[in-house]
Amino acid sequence: DVVMTQSPLSLPVTLGQPASISCRSSQSLVFSDGNNYLNWFHQRPGQSPRRLIYQVSNRDSGVPDRFSGSGSGTDFTLKISRVEAEDVGVYYCMQGTHWPPYTFGQGTKLEIK
Amino acid sequence: EVQLVESGGGLVQPGGSLRLSCAASGFTSSNYWMSWVRQAPGKGLEWVANINQEGSEKYYADSVRGRFTISRDNAKNSVYLQVNSLRAEDTAVYYCARHASGFRPQIDFWGQGTVVTVSS
Repeated sequence: DVVMTQSPLSLPVTLGQPASISCRSSQSLVFSDGNNYLNWFHQRPGQSPRRLIYQVSNRDSGVPDRFSGSGSGTDFTLKISRVEAEDVGVYYCMQGTHWPPYTFGQGTKLEIK
Repeated sequence: EVQLVESGGGLVQPGGSLRLSCAASGFTSSNYWMSWVRQAPGKGLEWVANINQEGSEKYYADSVRGRFTISRDNAKNSVYLQVNSLRAEDTAVYYCARHASGFRPQIDFWGQGTVVTVSS
């Protein structure tokens, strides 16, 4: 199974400041079609996850453009250009290249300083 | 509006069974792969099982294979998870999730979840 490793696991950020989360996979996520099936989800306290980013860098509908994703192969990054209060919660990366199983990172908890 | 509404969770003794249901609305669920994903209290996300549009392909996590069964009824726009031989470590919120259309279907939408508690 592909192991997804996120860092940091805790991320205190000042409002208006940038934030960055790393996600590394134990094997390359490049599929035979050339795509990396790497997704990012955000889970607010008490809510279900919401997908933010698919295939590394594509924002889902309604996701603010302060969120961006990058990377390829085994190293991926989610960046928030200016953190807002509504961004608190846990962020998960998930690989969908080598399934089953789909596998998630451990989660990164973003909080406001 | 796209909605996934899970039901069927509850408190069950070790070794017991439940049938979880997921009712889809706002889209034609028969056009999509569907998954169940769970989250133990205070823990991360764990993919459990998925099923293709026709119900002819089913895949399971090693931790549940042989005990859980995923199925669907496209006429009812519903997906199910039969959970048997439950253990304490199966205690979790169980989410139903839709996979977006595409060559390599990816989870794109989640329900609100149903809580399963395994305890004597």
